[in-house]
Amino acid sequence: DQQVKQNSPSLSVQEGRISILNCDYTNSMFDYFLWYKKYPAEGPTFLISISSIKDKNEDGRFTVFLNKSAKHLSLHIVPSQPGDSAVYFCAASGSATSYDKVIFGPGTSLSVIP
Amino acid sequence: NAGVTQTPKFRILKIGQSMTLQCTQDMNHNYMYWYRQDPGMGLKLIYYSVGAGITDKGEVPNGYNVSRSTTEDFPLRLELAAPSQTSVYFCASSQGLAGGNEQFFGPGTRLTVL
Repeated sequence: DQQVKQNSPSLSVQEGRISILNCDYTNSMFDYFLWYKKYPAEGPTFLISISSIKDKNEDGRFTVFLNKSAKHLSLHIVPSQPGDSAVYFCAASGSATSYDKVIFGPGTSLSVIP
Repeated sequence: NAGVTQTPKFRILKIGQSMTLQCTQDMNHNYMYWYRQDPGMGLKLIYYSVGAGITDKGEVPNGYNVSRSTTEDFPLRLELAAPSQTSVYFCASSQGLAGGNEQFFGPGTRLTVL
């Protein structure tokens, strides 16, 4: 049973527009969330994170929104660039599993079209 | 500063063979992890270590063994390889708890068991 879900396997967006990647989780005991980005033939790299005490965290073109009541978070990329084309993984941690581990979602493949 | 390095990059094994996937980090991180990623799936934790001499099982430990004799190295041993172990394997490290800290990933090892 997947505790972290990314229901859109893929997403295509025009360059310059907004990309919105969604993530849902089932366990309300998760309280720390991270996004990782992965290019082909490389390992994932950390992008941005958010604690459950916040509902928004921003870093340059990347913003993560957290809706605890809906158990939903989203990653917004504005404006989208061709170099953003990658697989994006949502991950969660907290007392649900323990703070020394994270649970990853299956990923969403983003294509930014020039 | 090389970060996290993994060897080999690719390997083909026959059923029943054994091998060791090597992982080394030069960031003096206490926490190290082994994940596997199957097509269309998120990263699944195999084993992790919170320091030299201390290891613990993750979600999918069956068929694997690890050791952590030094801070830098965290090899993953496959005994009696099976086709179900065909996957991409990623090693990662973090300064602190994975839930609250960025994990640094190696480039991965693509393993095929025939």
